[in-house]
Amino acid sequence: NAGVTQTPKFQVLKTGQSMTLQCAQDMNHEYMSWYRQDPGMGLRLIHYSVGAGITDQGEVPNGYNVSRSTTEDFPLRLLSAAPSQTSVYFCASSYWPGGVTDTQYFGPGTRLTVL
Amino acid sequence: RKEVEQDPGPFNVPEGATVAFNCTYSNSASQSFFWYRQDCRKEPKLLMSVYSSGNEDGRFTAQLNRASQYISLLIRDSKLSDSATYLCVVNGRYGGSQGNLIFGKGTKLSVKP
Repeated sequence: NAGVTQTPKFQVLKTGQSMTLQCAQDMNHEYMSWYRQDPGMGLRLIHYSVGAGITDQGEVPNGYNVSRSTTEDFPLRLLSAAPSQTSVYFCASSYWPGGVTDTQYFGPGTRLTVL
Repeated sequence: RKEVEQDPGPFNVPEGATVAFNCTYSNSASQSFFWYRQDCRKEPKLLMSVYSSGNEDGRFTAQLNRASQYISLLIRDSKLSDSATYLCVVNGRYGGSQGNLIFGKGTKLSVKP
């Protein structure tokens, strides 16, 4: 199994550009999520999905869109990039969210810089 | 009060030392508790779940006190390879789900020879 994969690893955008961060998992996990990690802020949940066709907002959803057309893929779209979106983005998946025996598997991250 | 608070660190300890990390959480409805480890410029990985009765995995011991809403992680006989940031994680509620995870900011541990 490849686990959770993310592309690209690094990206530089100009203010106002749009782009999609890709996330895929091959573990047949129902739950997928996107986090951003900023220095001194910890990981913050952007959006999550509990299955294909179902998405919901997390703590910091503004400026981001998601969709879940398949179990495997959960792309994150930046509609109009802003410098405040400079961050490291992690995608994660799990079989069932929040259970005592649950494990969140994270992708390697995408380092995004918005100029 | 922030949802998950941890010792700010950094903790700088010699090899072989015992080190303890503390964490408090604000949501009394939380049911699931974890410690994750994150190496520099890497993704977080599950270190261990935390059970009400306390649990141990080799040199690592986790404790939970629901009444005080307090979680701890004890590392005995520290190794150089234990150097990392340790994240306290509890489940919380966003949107329609109680099953999301809320991360503390992490405590950085540096084990020196």
